[in-house]
Amino acid sequence: DVKVTQSSRYLVKRTGEKVFLECVQDMDHENMFWYRQDPGLGLRLIYFSYDVKMKEKGDIPEGYSVSREKKERFSLILESASTNQTSMYLCASSYRGQPQHFGDGTRLSIL
Amino acid sequence: AQSVSQHNHHVILSEAASLELGCNYSYGGTVNLFWYVQYPGQHLQLLLKYFSGDPLVKGIKGFEAEFIKSKFSFNLRKPSVQWSDTAEYFCAVIPGKSTFGDGTTLTVKP
Repeated sequence: DVKVTQSSRYLVKRTGEKVFLECVQDMDHENMFWYRQDPGLGLRLIYFSYDVKMKEKGDIPEGYSVSREKKERFSLILESASTNQTSMYLCASSYRGQPQHFGDGTRLSIL
Repeated sequence: AQSVSQHNHHVILSEAASLELGCNYSYGGTVNLFWYVQYPGQHLQLLLKYFSGDPLVKGIKGFEAEFIKSKFSFNLRKPSVQWSDTAEYFCAVIPGKSTFGDGTTLTVKP
C-alpha cells in the first residue's frame, strides 16, 4: 500500500519564522503535490513537481517555495510565515494521470 | 483554466436515503475524473475514478458515478446511505494541474 508520510501532524510557529514541511512517499511516484485545505475552500494547489528538481506553481504559490532534491521527498517552505498561512497542509503523490495518494496532513498554526 | 464545481456544500440525509452529489468541470479535452472522500480525522482516499470506457463507474462502499460528457458532469451517487458515510467528498479532474472542487460535507443522521 502506498505510504505518504508528512513529518508533523501539528506544528506551531511564529510570524516571520521560516517553516519547513516535509513529505516522503515510498512508491517511486513521479508527481508530488502540496495543497492547503481550508473550510469552504476545498483543496487549493500550492505547488507540484513532476520530477526531481522540477516544480510548477499551483493556484496559490505566493509566500511559499518548494524543494525536490530526491524523488521520494518534496518539501514545502514558508519563507516568512504569516498568520494567514495558518491552515491544514496536505501532501500527495501519484503516477502521471493516476489517482493521488495523500498524507495525513499537517495542521500548521502561525501565531 | 480548468475548474471544478460542486453544487452542494452541505448535504444532510437520513440513513437509507439516496444520495447524489453534483460535480461539473470546465475543460474541453480528454479528462480523468475522480471522487475522493475524507472521513473525519482521516486522510483523503480515492472513492472511484473514470479514465475512459463505460461512463458508469463503480467505486468502493457502494458508490458509483456517471460521466456525462455533453454536460461536463461526473455526479456521485449511492442508493442508500449509512451513518458511516458521513464525510467530506471532493471531485477532482486531471489533466494538467490537478483541480479539486470545494468539497461537499455529507452528514447522515442515524
